[in-house]
Amino acid sequence: SSELTQDPAVSVALGQTVRITCQGDSLRSYYASWYQQKPGQAPVLVIYGKNNRPSGIPDRFSGSSSGNTASLTITGAQAEDEADYYCNSRDSSGNHPVFGTGTKVTVL
Amino acid sequence: QVQLQESGPGLVKPSETLSLTCTVSGGSISSYYWSWIRQPPGKGLEWIGYIYYSGSTNYNPSLKSRVTISVDTSKNQFSLKLSSVTAADTAVYYCARVSVVVTAAMRGYYFDYWGQGTLVTVSS
Repeated sequence: SSELTQDPAVSVALGQTVRITCQGDSLRSYYASWYQQKPGQAPVLVIYGKNNRPSGIPDRFSGSSSGNTASLTITGAQAEDEADYYCNSRDSSGNHPVFGTGTKVTVL
Repeated sequence: QVQLQESGPGLVKPSETLSLTCTVSGGSISSYYWSWIRQPPGKGLEWIGYIYYSGSTNYNPSLKSRVTISVDTSKNQFSLKLSSVTAADTAVYYCARVSVVVTAAMRGYYFDYWGQGTLVTVSS
């Protein structure tokens, strides 16, 4: 089982805001990174570090962290944001990367 | 723009060894960590392991006894071998580059470039 826990699914109305959370003890010591994956495609990095977006990622994606919880927020969700989202950080030992369980985002 | 491309057999028999290669283009393999990640059909992502360009490795403890990752800097490639495969190893296998961000507060590792993935099926 993963050491990073995510809600299995969330839904958001078009244009509204949705927050996806990732919980794990390692998040007190290591930043999370976030990945968007659409069906049949490779994951795409959307947030890394404290709140950094790679080139080409819209600014409606933002990241934050508090205690053992990291969050990915989509402000003004678009239809194309419908996807699976995975967090990634370290395991409890800090020695190995681990992915969260994944959250399916549905845009209504 | 860095690009990664996985290559290797799409079908492997049970008990045999799965072998994949990732070719890196648009940048040097030097000075980075390079990783393998897999995703069984309909399931989540699982980190397999990574290798530094110098050859040092780090493997997922659950797979460590069966995994070998190697690097060939002259070809800008790195490779995965997974031995004694079973149907549970059927998955899309991705290669990815690992980068790191460090601040005064914390550090974070992230996968910034990914290959398109290759489906490997374990079946007789």
